[in-house]
Amino acid sequence: GIQVEQSPPDLILQEGANSTLRCNFSDSVNNLQWFHQNPWGQLINLFYIPSGTKQNGRLSATTVATERYSLLYISSSQTTDSGVYFCAVAGYSGGGADGLTFGKGTHLIIQP
Amino acid sequence: DSGVTQTPKHLITATGQRVTLRCSPRSGDLSVYWYQQSLDQGLQFLIQYYNGEERAKGNILERFSAQQFPDLHSELNLSSLELGDSALYFCASSASGGAYEQYFGPGTRLTVT
Repeated sequence: GIQVEQSPPDLILQEGANSTLRCNFSDSVNNLQWFHQNPWGQLINLFYIPSGTKQNGRLSATTVATERYSLLYISSSQTTDSGVYFCAVAGYSGGGADGLTFGKGTHLIIQP
Repeated sequence: DSGVTQTPKHLITATGQRVTLRCSPRSGDLSVYWYQQSLDQGLQFLIQYYNGEERAKGNILERFSAQQFPDLHSELNLSSLELGDSALYFCASSASGGAYEQYFGPGTRLTVT
């Protein structure tokens, strides 16, 4: 199956800093999503981005499908950005399996 | 709020018991997915249903089963529970099968004692 690697595994930043999170995947994908898991365990959808670039406020994401990676950018970090960021992908398959394969996540801590 | 609901929020039970987790997808969504998040395995896909039919299986144990009902809600049944089954169980839904964005419910935290 598809392998997903996220880096860095841990990141500690001061409030106001910018950060870039990376997701590498091992095969072609037809679904790529970024999630934020907050301290209460909720998985919040950030982006659905199997290819291209999207922006939503202070967050933006880029997926270069041909090179099998995606980047999540967080600008002007706030303490509420703390949590774990997951990249998850699903690949093309004749059997129609659409379940997402998750990376291990990047644990982000924003200090005031 | 994703629009996906899960009940119960918390569940504490003993080894050997059986439990049922319930999920209602977003209005109009036909696909339901179940995922398990544990400390040692991370987040992993268990099973997918589409419009009442099983569509794909992931790392689901034989002791676990699921179904999707005509009103599209889904249930995940966990039996002969072991300590290692303690985890956060998520349900997600998407508009259809295939490459559609999945939306996750708040999860059910299962503790097996």
